[in-house]
Amino acid sequence: AQTVTQSQPEMSVQEAETVTLSCTYDTSENNYYLFWYKQPPSRQMILVIRQEAYKQQNATENRFSVNFQKAAKSFSLKISDSQLGDTAMYFCAFMNGLYSGYALNFGKGTSLLVTP
Amino acid sequence: EAQVTQNPRYLITVTGKKLTVTCSQNMNHEYMSWYRQDPGLGLRQIYYSMNVEVTDKGDVPEGYKVSRKEKRNFPLILESPSPNQTSLYFCASSIVSGDGYTFGSGTRLTVV
Repeated sequence: AQTVTQSQPEMSVQEAETVTLSCTYDTSENNYYLFWYKQPPSRQMILVIRQEAYKQQNATENRFSVNFQKAAKSFSLKISDSQLGDTAMYFCAFMNGLYSGYALNFGKGTSLLVTP
Repeated sequence: EAQVTQNPRYLITVTGKKLTVTCSQNMNHEYMSWYRQDPGLGLRQIYYSMNVEVTDKGDVPEGYKVSRKEKRNFPLILESPSPNQTSLYFCASSIVSGDGYTFGSGTRLTVV
């Protein structure tokens, strides 16, 4: 299985500030997909943002953006203007495509707390 | 509404008593998968299915069975549950692409 590493088990940020969550991965493939999922206390898994490896442009979804560094195998998530509702566990995930059965390989997660 | 529906949401059972967790999706997705989530371990894939009658093992398949007789349904079967299968279980589905998964709401299983 591919390895996905999230080096920050817990992080805290004040409301309206910006926070960056780190993720690195290990693969020998050239074409793959990367994702960030959010899991709030309701435990629902919510797709935040996705990135296709062959696209150089970093993905952006409203206040969420990624810094995708393919050579460094790094995929960090930046949350701007943090809101209390952003408090959740965040999982970085990697998908290798057809030859891996479209399996999503997850990191162990980063628990983010947004404080007033 | 497009969704993945899992039932039950909570289940407490005793060791050895067979159980089934149901999963159904209404998006005509070819791909379905089961994951378990444990503290400090993230989510790990149990089984997946690329289409009807096509299933394969994920990373942690021991103690589990699945079937895919219809495109929309992908039940997870624990024939003889043990306490180490106490976990949070997620069903997920997607089209066969890199679009990412749609997850169900999860099933919290406790085996005593």
